[in-house]
Amino acid sequence: DTGVSQDPRHKITKRGQNVTFRCDPISEHNRLYWYRQTLGQGPEFLTYFQNEAQLEKSRLLSDRFSAERPKGSFSTLEIQRTEQGDSAMYLCASSLSWTSGSLQFFGPGTRLTVL
Amino acid sequence: TQLLEQSPQFLSIQEGENLTVYCNSSSVFSSLQWYRQEPGEGPVLLVTVVTGGEVKKLKRLTFQFGDARKDSSLHITAAQPGDTGLYLCAGVGGATNKLIFGTGTLLAVQP
Repeated sequence: DTGVSQDPRHKITKRGQNVTFRCDPISEHNRLYWYRQTLGQGPEFLTYFQNEAQLEKSRLLSDRFSAERPKGSFSTLEIQRTEQGDSAMYLCASSLSWTSGSLQFFGPGTRLTVL
Repeated sequence: TQLLEQSPQFLSIQEGENLTVYCNSSSVFSSLQWYRQEPGEGPVLLVTVVTGGEVKKLKRLTFQFGDARKDSSLHITAAQPGDTGLYLCAGVGGATNKLIFGTGTLLAVQP
């Protein structure tokens, strides 16, 4: 399967713990996006990478959140000192910069539950 | 804050019925996309509309982009249970092409 993959698919943690999610984009896709989706709502943009550079961060991304894409391939999203309000589906998407209209391909997401 | 409002929020219909989902914004978008999402999965792109007034058809699905590129609609003819899912519109925003998603329409088609 050459689509976007995310790991883990599900994560249950206790409040105050740190969690890290991984996203592997489609090979050769230089753009990578993270979104967060709460139940019954549309996804909300969190952050964007072009290659290894993090070029945009949403105000939703508090200082407890950090994202990296060290070699311009896979990306990680870490949440420190998790809170119950962090419970959501975290989606990763990738695209090629020269395609028109931002054809983003989404991974299956990581569902985080904070107890 | 979501900039795209979808209506209705929920829709439960019988197999064979027709339906329309609306996506409205006060902002102009260079393009607008429609996605379908099933539980526990990521959104899957259905269509991209770029030109004001554009109409695209995908089998029983018809998508329209408003003349002013602020709104869009999705019409499904003769709905089937397999159409069940969360339908999302998304505007493409800014130099990074991030997606600004609508509030979503949850469709349930009963056999």
